[in-house]
Amino acid sequence: DSGVTQTPKHLITATGQRVTLRCSPRSGDLSVYWYQQSLDQGLQFLIQYYNGEERAKGNILERFSAQQFPDLHSELNLSSLELGDSALYFCASSVAAKGLNEQFFGPGTRLTVL
Amino acid sequence: DQQVKQNSPSLSVQEGRISILNCDYTNSMFDYFLWYKKYPAEGPTFLISISSIKDKNEDGRFTVFLNKSAKHLSLHIVPSQPGDSAVYFCAATAVRAGSYQLTFGKGTKLSVIP
Repeated sequence: DSGVTQTPKHLITATGQRVTLRCSPRSGDLSVYWYQQSLDQGLQFLIQYYNGEERAKGNILERFSAQQFPDLHSELNLSSLELGDSALYFCASSVAAKGLNEQFFGPGTRLTVL
Repeated sequence: DQQVKQNSPSLSVQEGRISILNCDYTNSMFDYFLWYKKYPAEGPTFLISISSIKDKNEDGRFTVFLNKSAKHLSLHIVPSQPGDSAVYFCAATAVRAGSYQLTFGKGTKLSVIP
């Protein structure tokens, strides 16, 4: 158990809909990262938040957005869903301090868009 | 353009023998490297890391070697056990550049045969 929790575990929805994925980081970790893993792909970095502020952006579509709340949990919002958005979405957390770069991953949310 | 490459999608090894998983990178800014293990239906689990100031890091049965001039790293597992069967991801980041974002390879599926 990494200490990172993600809800829900599975989500099935239709094209054009909007969903919200939730992540709670490990106790003490200030940084939250979101990754997408599609079929046959490695993990693609989407976005990072550090202590409530956006820190880095990766291959995140404009239809996707995220935020980190004062209690450090984070939400990833996916809107106008397309079939190609079906994937595993992982959240990770880390201390993100100098020299400490290990990220700890949650179990993931499997999104299926029909 | 893939900055982290794992050219072997799969590897089979007999129990008790050595498993060697390879990873190449192209970005000279990368200075911290990590290996993650992933079982089906679970999030990636941090295994071992190495800073670019070292060329070797050992933790029990796991050793990571870094060859900076060749931009190559490898993970050795000795002896291999059936429970090591999983997908192994190599990841890299540029800590000195202020980045905590991880760039992942596509993974190598290791099968340890009893």
